[in-house]
Amino acid sequence: AQKVTQAQTEISVVEKEDVTLDCVYETRDTTYYLFWYKQPPSGELVFLIRRNSFDEQNEISGRYSWNFQKSTSSFNFTITASQVVDSAVYFCALIFSSNTGKLIFGQGTTLQVKP
Amino acid sequence: DADVTQTPRNRITKTGKRIMLECSQTKGHDRMYWYRQDPGLGLRLIYYSFDVKDINKGEISDGYSVSRQAQAKFSLSLESAIPNQTALYFCATSEGTGSHQPQHFGDGTRLSIL
Repeated sequence: AQKVTQAQTEISVVEKEDVTLDCVYETRDTTYYLFWYKQPPSGELVFLIRRNSFDEQNEISGRYSWNFQKSTSSFNFTITASQVVDSAVYFCALIFSSNTGKLIFGQGTTLQVKP
Repeated sequence: DADVTQTPRNRITKTGKRIMLECSQTKGHDRMYWYRQDPGLGLRLIYYSFDVKDINKGEISDGYSVSRQAQAKFSLSLESAIPNQTALYFCATSEGTGSHQPQHFGDGTRLSIL
């Protein structure tokens, strides 16, 4: 089965805390791509990052970092020193190289950062 | 101006009505998609199109139809709306060079069917 699981439905932290959003996926394909999207309260979906299955290098972009581990089929997202503006729903998603066009989303994690 | 524009942004209608949601893009992308978002379920793919002559069913196409009028336009129709089609609908686009290209989303259409 091809599936993405975000087990954390809601997370609440206080500003300046670090927070990690978990993403676990299932696939039989050897070539695939993983994405993270952010959906702020205004409702739009914003692309954050893409990672391909043959590149396990972690990535850091400012306060954001991503840890991809094929051995555990996980692609976790960490926000360092969280801010109120980070409050949003975050989605992890998966697509295969077979070009079906089907982006498979996790259920989303709602992050609330309190001042 | 937004690269991916959805109209209307909000719509309330009655059961049995025919509804069309429209999507236009200025990104020059070949691929376009329609998703619906329901609480706790993430986004699910309804239909997608890789070019003007290509239409494909997604995960949940029953009760929906689409039309790709031009490279830049992709509309979604509900022929006879029912209450369980109440959801947030998103249009997305991506470059035609492969599935690795990120999909870029419009701002969504909130549809309520009474």
